[in-house]
Amino acid sequence: SQQGEEDPQALSIQEGENATMNCSYKTSINNLQWYRQNSGRGLVHLILIRSNEREKHSGRLRVTLDTSKKSSSLLITASRAADTASYFCADETSGSRLTFGEGTQLTVNP
Amino acid sequence: DAGVTQSPTHLIKTRGQHVTLRCSPISGHKSVSWYQQVLGQGPQFIFQYYEKEERGRGNFPDRFSARQFPNYSSELNVNALLLGDSALYLCASSLLDRYDGYTFGSGTRLTVV
Repeated sequence: SQQGEEDPQALSIQEGENATMNCSYKTSINNLQWYRQNSGRGLVHLILIRSNEREKHSGRLRVTLDTSKKSSSLLITASRAADTASYFCADETSGSRLTFGEGTQLTVNP
Repeated sequence: DAGVTQSPTHLIKTRGQHVTLRCSPISGHKSVSWYQQVLGQGPQFIFQYYEKEERGRGNFPDRFSARQFPNYSSELNVNALLLGDSALYLCASSLLDRYDGYTFGSGTRLTVV
């Protein structure tokens, strides 16, 4: 079964708005990663946040990590139609394997 | 620089047949991992190889096997295919030092009929 769970499962917003996706996990982690997937193709790595970090930025992306609540959030600011995709969180524990959630389908309407 | 390359892109097989999927990692990446993604779900870990040694195996039956070659490319083999093996198979490579996440290939879409 999947360890991570994303919330919401689907999100539809207008271009220029912010999009927030949440992720929960169940065990201790080394790091948590966010990936994007367009139309069932390969995953694109967006950002990695380590267990000793609380917040990280990359361009229009902001990721937070709360290890006490075992949760993370991904914020995309000033969204664009090109941001339409599925977004997955994946936690990495020992053994260098990623455990993915079910994903959030983001639709950005022009 | 070439990314992670996978072949073939698409594949249709009949139940009971065998399939081999191939992956070439980014130059300099010695770690290769395989994931299975069933439609509508997140990817699930199958195997990880580093320096030609298996470092991890997910909850998949023995019909699934893999290997890594001296040039760090990898093959995933699936025997006695079942309809439920229909999925997108993703390969990912990474550095183990200066690690900052995985680079995924575009995947192989396997359909079992």
